[in-house]
Amino acid sequence: GQSLEQPSEVTAVEGAIVQINCTYQTSGFYGLSWYQQHDGGAPTFLSYNALDGLEETGRFSSFLSRSDSYGYLLLQELQMKDSASYFCAVRDPGGYQKVTFGTGTKLQVIP
Amino acid sequence: DTAVSQTPKYLVTQMGNDKSIKCEQNLGHDTMYWYKQDSKKFLKIMFSYNNKELIINETVPNRFSPKSPDKAHLNLHINSLELGDSAVYFCASRKPSGEQFFGPGTRLTVL
Repeated sequence: GQSLEQPSEVTAVEGAIVQINCTYQTSGFYGLSWYQQHDGGAPTFLSYNALDGLEETGRFSSFLSRSDSYGYLLLQELQMKDSASYFCAVRDPGGYQKVTFGTGTKLQVIP
Repeated sequence: DTAVSQTPKYLVTQMGNDKSIKCEQNLGHDTMYWYKQDSKKFLKIMFSYNNKELIINETVPNRFSPKSPDKAHLNLHINSLELGDSAVYFCASRKPSGEQFFGPGTRLTVL
């Protein structure tokens, strides 16, 4: 099976940088994704790492280390609108396309 | 144009009733999912369909029955609703690269 652990809550100051970690235990691995979900909204895709290293998309970057079963999402120049829950997710290899989501991290950005 | 749509957005019903939630995607994706998000925001996969065929059926009570009349639609029927079924249900479709697009969610409240 798959399990993914994230910190439950993180608070950071507007304009700062914050890192949200994700550690996983999986029976198979096909890449780590990150999703953002605002209160009352739907999850939206942010990034995907299939290989080790850093992927950058604007103010957001995501990192993966497969040897450490670890990844993180880095948010730079934090804005108030970044206050949301962030989920990591792993996809099973093979044809079944099962996706397991992490426990979620609620980020609060304060002035 | 809405990519993934769900109806209804809110559903309030009595225990023991039967209800359905509809989902449609206009993205041309082959794979669609149903997820349940509980009050603690944990997002759990329920079912996955690929081109109208069921490929993932997690440990979900058989009161829940998905139906896919064509690859653009994945509906969820729930029989004999219970209090514990109260949650937000999300439909999603998936690009071949893995990115998922979520519908707006259906907030189900069982009284």
